[in-house]
Order: sequence, then C-alpha cells, then structure tokens
Amino acid sequence: DTAVSQTPKYLVTQMGNDKSIKCEQNLGHDTMYWYKQDSKKFLKIMFSYNNKELIINETVPNRFSPKSPDKAHLNLHINSLELGDSAVYFCASSGQYSYNEQFFGPGTRLTVL
Amino acid sequence: GDSVTQMEGPVTLSEEAFLTINCTYTATGYPSLFWYVQYPGEGLQLLLKATKADDKGSNKGFEATYRKETTSFHLEKGSVQVSDSAVYFCALRPSGNTPLVFGKGTRLSVIA
Repeated sequence: DTAVSQTPKYLVTQMGNDKSIKCEQNLGHDTMYWYKQDSKKFLKIMFSYNNKELIINETVPNRFSPKSPDKAHLNLHINSLELGDSAVYFCASSGQYSYNEQFFGPGTRLTVL
Repeated sequence: GDSVTQMEGPVTLSEEAFLTINCTYTATGYPSLFWYVQYPGEGLQLLLKATKADDKGSNKGFEATYRKETTSFHLEKGSVQVSDSAVYFCALRPSGNTPLVFGKGTRLSVIA
C-alpha cells in the first residue's frame, strides 16, 4: 500500500499554462507539506498544512496555490507557469511531533518549455 | 534561522571502503536530526534518525550520533556497497509541527 502518492509523476508543459499536482496520504497524518527540489538537488519547503489549514507559506509566488480538501489530500495548483518553475515537487506528510519522520511521495518532475 | 551544512560531493568510493559524510547544524532549542536517502529517480526515504543528544541512529549498516556539543550528526558506514550509491540528505526538524530543514545533499557513488 502506497503511503504517500502523487500524480502525475511527469508533467511537461508550455510557459503560461496552468497545471495541478495531486497528493494523497493514507497514514492518518494531520500535517502535509510541499517541497521543491531544484536541479542541484536542493530541497526547500514551500507550504505546510495542518488538518486542512495553511500553517507555513515560505515566500512562494502567488501563482502557486495549495488546496487541502481534507486532511488526507494536499493539491498544488500552479498558474502561468514559468521556466524557473521546472523542478521536482515532493509531497510529504508526518505526525505533529518533531521526532516524527516525514514520509515523502515519489515526486512530480515538472518541465516547463 | 535554523540551518544544516553537509559536506559537498560528489563522493566516490570503492566497494567495501569506509564512508563518512559530515553534517553540522545550527538550531535554537532541541531539534530532531535525520538522514534521508534518495536513490536515482525516486523520492526520499528515511535512513535513520536521532531525537536527543547522544542518541545513535542506525539502519542498514549506517550510523550517526547526535552530538550536541559539536552540533554534528555525521553519517558513517563501515563498508559501502554499490547499492549504496545515492544522494544523502542531512535534515533537522526544529520543534513541534515544523517542516524539515535540509542540507544540500551529498552524492555518493560506489564503484565495484
């Protein structure tokens, strides 16, 4: 059983388009995250949600809008895609305590042409 | 703010060599510390963790000890295998319900 799943795995699109990435976790966690991994493999937090509420938004452009319909799902919608948005996007979930590990999805490789 | 510094890669070793990847951190309070591994084309998997000073995390022959006095969490393995080739990330979780803060990752290549 997949703990954290994301779709699609690959996304190739033109500049200016709007796209969405979906994430689901079946671990019963209250907290979910979106991370961005750039071409040099650096990972940076974008958003954090706890029980459907946004708790962290790390200076991400307004073109990125996360939505959490319920605590098991956290989707990421991106408007007006730019070349610099090309990256791998990882969804993750965890328990609420600092000692809880975070479980990561397989990633979505977004390529903007 | 909180940060993690790990040694730059890439690191290339022969099979059965000893591995050390250095990791130091800056944090207020008492963070939990993690090593994650990313195999080619895959997501991140937890390798090991330590949640308080002097704790040792271990898994699959890898170990790391939470050293508060030197703010370090170095990853070691006595004898690496080709299958250990991956990118290794040191990370901390500051406190409570917070995201991970990652180091820049160290790419390890093990050759037969």
